[in-house]
Order: sequence, then C-alpha cells, then structure tokens
Amino acid sequence: KQEVTQIPAALSVPEGENLVLNCSFTDSAIYNLQWFRQDPGKGLTSLLLIQSSQREQTSGRLNASLDKSSGRSTLYIAASQPGDSATYLCAVGAGSYIPTFGRGTSLIVHP
Amino acid sequence: DAGVTQSPTHLIKTRGQQVTLRCSPKSGHDTVSWYQQALGQGPQFIFQYYEEEERQRGNFPDRFSGHQFPNYSSELNVNALLLGDSALYLCASSNAPTNQPQHFGDGTRLSIL
Repeated sequence: KQEVTQIPAALSVPEGENLVLNCSFTDSAIYNLQWFRQDPGKGLTSLLLIQSSQREQTSGRLNASLDKSSGRSTLYIAASQPGDSATYLCAVGAGSYIPTFGRGTSLIVHP
Repeated sequence: DAGVTQSPTHLIKTRGQQVTLRCSPKSGHDTVSWYQQALGQGPQFIFQYYEEEERQRGNFPDRFSGHQFPNYSSELNVNALLLGDSALYLCASSNAPTNQPQHFGDGTRLSIL
C-alpha cells in the first residue's frame, strides 16, 4: 500500500525566504506526482504535475523535483510572499490511477 | 468555462440522518471521483464514477453510495451518519482512462451533530 509522508507538517517563515517542502513515498512504481495548494476550507488547486519520466517541473517561483528511485519529491518556493500562505499537498499516482495524498504542509509566510 | 462545482457548500446534519451531496464536473470531463478530507488530513478516496457506473472504490463502508447521471454530474449519498463522517467532501473530475490531471471543486463541508 502506497504511503505518502510530508515534512514538515507546519512551517512559519518571514517574507522573502526560499522554502523547500518535502514529500516521500514508499512505492517507487508511480506514474506521476502532483503538488496541490489548498486554502482554508477550499478545494485543491493543482500547482505542478510531474510525470514519472520527468525529473522536474517549473512554474513561476515554484519548482518541483522527483527522484523515483529514492521515493522523494521536493517543492521549492522562491522568494516567498504572504499570499503563498496555504496548505501544500503532495499526491502520488500509481497503479489504479487514484492518487494517494500526504497530510500536507501548512505554510504561513508573515510580512 | 466553469470548473467543478459542488453543492451545497455547507451542511449540518445529526447522527443517523442521510445526506446527498452534488457535483458537476468541469466541461468536457467524463469521470467523477469523490474524496473525504478530515481536518488536518489529506483527502481519502471514496469512489470513482465513469459511464454511470462505480469503477473503483476506496476503503469506505457501503453507507457511502453514489450515482452518475448521463450528463456526467454525480451525487454522493451517505446513510446513517456518524460523528466521524464530519469532513470536507471533495469532488474531482477528469477524463478516462488516465484520469490525470484531476480538477477539484471547493468541496462541501459536512458537520454532524
């Protein structure tokens, strides 16, 4: 059974810092990995989708990397802003095409 | 182009009651998946509907049932509500066969008293 772990569970940083959020998974036989953002009480917004054949994806200030062999992905946020405050979820897709989610990292960026 | 829409946004029920949640998929999508997200947890897969049939199911009791209509919209029904059913219920739509990426609605917040 695939298990997804996200570290840290919570993070509070001053504006402008560069951040790294971590995601690890137990079964490396995946077909993709996706990072989502979730604002309080809201649904999930897809940030980056990395296919199993890819090593990284970039969108603006966000960069996600994937190392299948070690079962790890990182989400790098450059020059963080208060508007980046949200929960960030990692979801691993494998086998049945149903993603398995981690519990998320709750991020607060204070001015 | 409307994304995934869910209704209602909030709902309060008491133990033992039944509830129906609704989802309209993003235009052009044919598959609907439902997730339960308890506070502080990641979403847990409940089931997925395609061509009006349940195609896959997660580890949820048969108190949880669903339906998909010819226009691809879907309902989630939960019978004999328990306190532990309190959660945010998320609907996601996609296209078969890979169902990736999934597009999520804003969810229905269900509170059981």
